[in-house]
Amino acid sequence: DVQLVEPGGGLVQPGGSLRLSCAFSEFTFSDYYMDWVRQAPGKGLEYVSSISPNGDVTSYANSVKGRFTISRDNSNNTLYLRMGSLTVDDMAVYYCARRASGCYDYWGQGILVTVSS
Amino acid sequence: EIVMTQSPATLSVSPGERATLSCRATQSVSNKLAWYQQKPGQAPRLLMYAASTRATGIPARFSGSGSGTEFTLTISSLQSEDFAVYYCQQYNNWPRTFGQGTELEMK
Repeated sequence: DVQLVEPGGGLVQPGGSLRLSCAFSEFTFSDYYMDWVRQAPGKGLEYVSSISPNGDVTSYANSVKGRFTISRDNSNNTLYLRMGSLTVDDMAVYYCARRASGCYDYWGQGILVTVSS
Repeated sequence: EIVMTQSPATLSVSPGERATLSCRATQSVSNKLAWYQQKPGQAPRLLMYAASTRATGIPARFSGSGSGTEFTLTISSLQSEDFAVYYCQQYNNWPRTFGQGTELEMK
């Protein structure tokens, strides 16, 4: 089975930074676009960022552009999201997701990011 | 940005009955439409893609239809495990956008 594990996350103060990671097993990581999708408490799903299979193309939602950086390490099968200048609006469960033909066929279990002083 | 609107927000249906969920886009997304199911405390699960193609392992009681701006997810005979929140997502344009969800609850 595909496993997308997301350690890290947790509590951060407004204005602070955090890095999320997502490791996997049993699929060829370097073949796929990978995205981050978030879900604020009690809310719907929101696209955050994506990265091409070899990491040369990235994109971001306007709400995070200039503050978040997506990256990947294909040698270690790991996806990252560096988040900076965090606000309460960034508080959410963050999911890493494998993108295939435009939609998300595998999702990580999600990690809660809490922004609070 | 394309806005996806789902209706109804909540749908109450009895087990064994049929459920019909709707999703509308503010502009055409062709057939680039996916449906996801999410249960409490879990990640979403892909149900349908390309509007009408079931994802791997999805039972045949789930079906999707539509193109352009109007889409429907139908569950032909509800099982207890189908009560959840359902989201549509367009992937024809950037940014990818999701509907706000339809909660399917047991009547």
